[in-house]
Amino acid sequence: AQSVAQPEDQVNVAEGNPLTVKCTYSVSGNPYLFWYVQYPNRGLQFLLKYITGDNLVKGSYGFEAEFNKSQTSFHLKKPSALVSDSALYFCAVIGGNEKLTFGTGTRLTIIP
Amino acid sequence: GAVVSQHPSRVICKSGTSVKIECRSLDFQATTMFWYRQFPKQSLMLMATSNEGSKATYEQGVEKDKFLINHASLTLSTLTVTSAHPEDSSFYICSAMRVTNGYTFGSGTRLTVV
Repeated sequence: AQSVAQPEDQVNVAEGNPLTVKCTYSVSGNPYLFWYVQYPNRGLQFLLKYITGDNLVKGSYGFEAEFNKSQTSFHLKKPSALVSDSALYFCAVIGGNEKLTFGTGTRLTIIP
Repeated sequence: GAVVSQHPSRVICKSGTSVKIECRSLDFQATTMFWYRQFPKQSLMLMATSNEGSKATYEQGVEKDKFLINHASLTLSTLTVTSAHPEDSSFYICSAMRVTNGYTFGSGTRLTVV
């Protein structure tokens, strides 16, 4: 069965510092990987995806993620955090069963 | 492009009544839509896959008679929570898949059963 792990429930980062939100996955076959952001009482907004090609994927709002096949990871990064980046972030994967499986989410708080 | 509209955003209903939630793809046709449920501080749980013109496919443990899904057109899927009870209170989110853009999510519906 495919799965996604986000080991950190909460990440706190000072404004202006780089941020990383971790994600590892387990699937059969090649993974399609996604990052979504959720603001309170809202649906999910797409940030970026990895399907194939370059391992470093750039997405919305200055976010990027690096696909690492050997470590089965797809960590989300941003060079300089903004207070407005504070939200709930979900990593998701589509594998062999073609269903989108989400991680448990990481709450990112940017401290002014 | 690839906008999914979900309505209502919030609904409060009495225990025992039914509630219908609509999910519309506004600028594309979606043969497949998905319904998720999100518990507080938890991830999204896939409830069912809605297929236009055919029966929905429910995930294990989801009561199909409780959560009725209808996908009568290429732009509309509905989720009806029948005989709602307080334990059905949750945040429900739909999504639609577009081949070129991947998954797009609705803004969610907060259901409170009192």
